[in-house]
Amino acid sequence: EAQVTQNPRYLITVTGKKLTVTCSQNMNHEYMSWYRQDPGLGLRQIYYSMNVEVTDKGDVPEGYKVSRKEKRNFPLILESPSPNQTSLYFCASRLTGGDGETQYFGPGTRLLVL
Amino acid sequence: AQKVTQAQTEISVVEKEDVTLDCVYETRDTTYYLFWYKQPPSGELVFLIRRNSFDEQNEISGRYSWNFQKSTSSFNFTITASQVVDSAVYFCALSEAWNYGQNFVFGPGTRLSVLP
Repeated sequence: EAQVTQNPRYLITVTGKKLTVTCSQNMNHEYMSWYRQDPGLGLRQIYYSMNVEVTDKGDVPEGYKVSRKEKRNFPLILESPSPNQTSLYFCASRLTGGDGETQYFGPGTRLLVL
Repeated sequence: AQKVTQAQTEISVVEKEDVTLDCVYETRDTTYYLFWYKQPPSGELVFLIRRNSFDEQNEISGRYSWNFQKSTSSFNFTITASQVVDSAVYFCALSEAWNYGQNFVFGPGTRLSVLP
């Protein structure tokens, strides 16, 4: 089944404790992206990657890091989480050509930073 | 700059009523794509439709229909004979072809509640 998976789905942590949210897709998509969703703001892009070893900042990159060492994986790293990073996070992927404009989303990760 | 506006924050209807969710977009590009996604209470994002800027034909899929009007920069979504299972947050999104990387902009969403 074609899908984007994220782990963990739910996470409670404390300020300053480094964490990683994993994202993996099995559709051989070149493009992957991370979003955060906050009430009244919709989804805002954190980082994106056009392909392996190619990443760039989105609209709200502060406090986050990413890496793209393999095509299928795109982990999101919070080196020192703060309460304002409490949010719902989505990973997404798509092709970069043809009918590639449609993004497919993972199930989401709910993060609470105390 | 690209922008998507969904002026209706919340809508409540009674089951079997028709409901239209509004989406207005701004873009400087002539080639772009518009999307609707559904987010049910379980939280996942479900892709509903993609429309490119060169295709203004309206689309119908079962009880769902979409009206794309470039003249008013709108891409409205209508649910006919609404059902309780339609209760969700609906997002409209815009992707400009020229800005291929950082190009997916979402509206703030409209929360639809369908009451039995």
